[in-house]
Amino acid sequence: EVQLVESGGGLVKPGGSLRLSCAASGFTFSSYSMNWVRQAPGKGLEWVSSISSSSSYIYYADSVKGRFTISRDNAKNSLYLQMNSLRAEDTAVYYCARDRGLTIFEDWGQGTLVTVSS
Amino acid sequence: AIRMTQSPSSLSASTGDRVTITCRASQGISSYLAWYQQKPGKAPKLLIYAASTLQSGVPSRFSGSGSGTDFTLTISCLQSEDFATYYCQQYYSYPRSFGQGTKLEIK
Repeated sequence: EVQLVESGGGLVKPGGSLRLSCAASGFTFSSYSMNWVRQAPGKGLEWVSSISSSSSYIYYADSVKGRFTISRDNAKNSLYLQMNSLRAEDTAVYYCARDRGLTIFEDWGQGTLVTVSS
Repeated sequence: AIRMTQSPSSLSASTGDRVTITCRASQGISSYLAWYQQKPGKAPKLLIYAASTLQSGVPSRFSGSGSGTDFTLTISCLQSEDFATYYCQQYYSYPRSFGQGTKLEIK
């Protein structure tokens, strides 16, 4: 069974940093592209970033480009999102999602809440 | 960037009804479209990809159609567990984008 477990969320002040992690199990992590998708409270879904299986290809939404960095450690079956220069509008539940291919989000974690507030 | 627009934004229906949700892309995306279902407090669930291919384990009452710019998600006979919010998503180009969602409520 595919399991994706996010962690690292919490309350951070504007301008601060946070690192999210996603622990994967139940599949061959190194064979799949992975993604981060977020959802602001009461709002819709927003794609944040994608990373290919070998980290060769990385993409970001314009709203986070230059501030967020996606990475992965295939030896540890883990996906990361380093978030710097956080803003109030980054407040959201952040989901880790396994890629079925072409950024079709086949499996999702339960999400981790990031709150940016002073 | 491709903008995805869903209609309606909300919809009231009864168990047993047939409902259709529409998703329109601001430019052609061929069949690079997926549909997701999300229940309150839960992660989204993939229903359909490639506009009309049912994800494994998804009931056959769900179906998708369309190509180019206009797409539909149809639920043929609503069950109680289908009341949720539905999102379309294009994966034709970056940045990937979702529709704003359609909330399906019990009448």
